[in-house]
Amino acid sequence: QVQLVQSGSEVKEPGASVKVSCKASGYTFTDYYIHWVRQAPGQGLEWMGWINPRSGGTNYAQKFQGRVTMTSDTSFSTAYMDLTRLTSNDTAVYYCARDSSSFCDSWGQGTLVTVSS
Amino acid sequence: DIQMTQSTSSLSASVGDRVAITCRASQSISSQLNWYQQKPGEAPKLLIYAASFLHSGVPSRFSGSESGTDFTLTISSIQPEDYATYYCQQAFSTPLTFGGGTKVEIK
Repeated sequence: QVQLVQSGSEVKEPGASVKVSCKASGYTFTDYYIHWVRQAPGQGLEWMGWINPRSGGTNYAQKFQGRVTMTSDTSFSTAYMDLTRLTSNDTAVYYCARDSSSFCDSWGQGTLVTVSS
Repeated sequence: DIQMTQSTSSLSASVGDRVAITCRASQSISSQLNWYQQKPGEAPKLLIYAASFLHSGVPSRFSGSESGTDFTLTISSIQPEDYATYYCQQAFSTPLTFGGGTKVEIK
């Protein structure tokens, strides 16, 4: 079955960077885009961008342009999301999700990133 | 950016009630509207895609409809496991955007 397994929780200081991984299994990794979506505590869902694992092409939300980098390693069927210059406003659960023709049909379990001094 | 508005942030319903959750897009999105269910501490789960198509494995008591830029998720007879927060999301153009969510609570 399709599964996306994310890396564990992180605690970072303001100004630092974080890299979250998302390992896919149960399907051909390069056949589906991966989205990254975050959710601040008690808040709604916010789309950050997507990556095409086959080509490496990306599309980032303007809000995160210059601070986010999405990559993938097809050898390990893993997508990565790197966010730099962290502030307390970046404290959130970060999700990866598989895109299946314009809808996200499978989601990772989420990775809590806490930014605190 | 396309704004998605769920005007009801929370509602209460009794088991067995018919529940309708609405979402409005700020412009035409050509049926590119998805609905997700999220329970506390869990990732969202896809319920409905392309406005009215039921995702595999989702109970048939869930349905979706549209009228112009207004979209509705209906639960025909709400069950205890359906108490959750529901989000709409447009997939017409990037940035993809979500509604603010509607929390369905037990009456």
